[in-house]
Amino acid sequence: GAGVSQSPRYKVAKRGQDVALRCDPISGHVSLFWYQQALGQGPEFLTYFQNEAQLDKSGLPSDRFFAERPEGSVSTLKIQRTQQEDSAVYLCASSLVMGLAGGLGANEQFFGPGTRLTVL
Amino acid sequence: GIQVEQSPPDLILQEGANSTLRCNFSDSVNNLQWFHQNPWGQLINLFYIPSGTKQNGRLSATTVATERYSLLYISSSQTTDSGVYFCAVEGYSSASKIIFGSGTRLSIRP
Repeated sequence: GAGVSQSPRYKVAKRGQDVALRCDPISGHVSLFWYQQALGQGPEFLTYFQNEAQLDKSGLPSDRFFAERPEGSVSTLKIQRTQQEDSAVYLCASSLVMGLAGGLGANEQFFGPGTRLTVL
Repeated sequence: GIQVEQSPPDLILQEGANSTLRCNFSDSVNNLQWFHQNPWGQLINLFYIPSGTKQNGRLSATTVATERYSLLYISSSQTTDSGVYFCAVEGYSSASKIIFGSGTRLSIRP
């Protein structure tokens, strides 16, 4: 596709519900990232995939958060038993590669429009 | 981990004015990007600039990697330039993590 897409754009959940957020990266991009952005703050790293392998999940705030990318393309971020503090915008980004393996510029990240999650 | 500081936190200018936004980082970087987050929340890529100088229309950016800072220049500001500007870096020692600064909120008055 032309850019990174995310769905849904908005999600309202009752506390305790499970939610699933989807990310479609730019076609051919190897690396995929999830970020969480609280109101008035910069995005914070959650997790990173290279193809289907989840290489870093150190930013996931609790074991209620789970991400997958089973075929190395589309990714899903799942939040179980949502809490009010999970309310935020969840951003997905993709890049051609990670680091400088693909040459200068190959690790430039491109972001989707985000999913705004509100937990009541 | 790597620290990223942006200044000023807020900037209010009249249309037509010029501005300079600064990003300081605490360690060597593989990647430095400037983004504009528009009022709808979309992060728009402005520059990929781990070192050197680039220009794109009214915007330009300079990164001095040896001194660990980057500057974003906006000339002849327009109201559509309003929003939050983020600097984000990937450190050599923290590969896979891109760390964002806290942003500069720019408001351009007509």
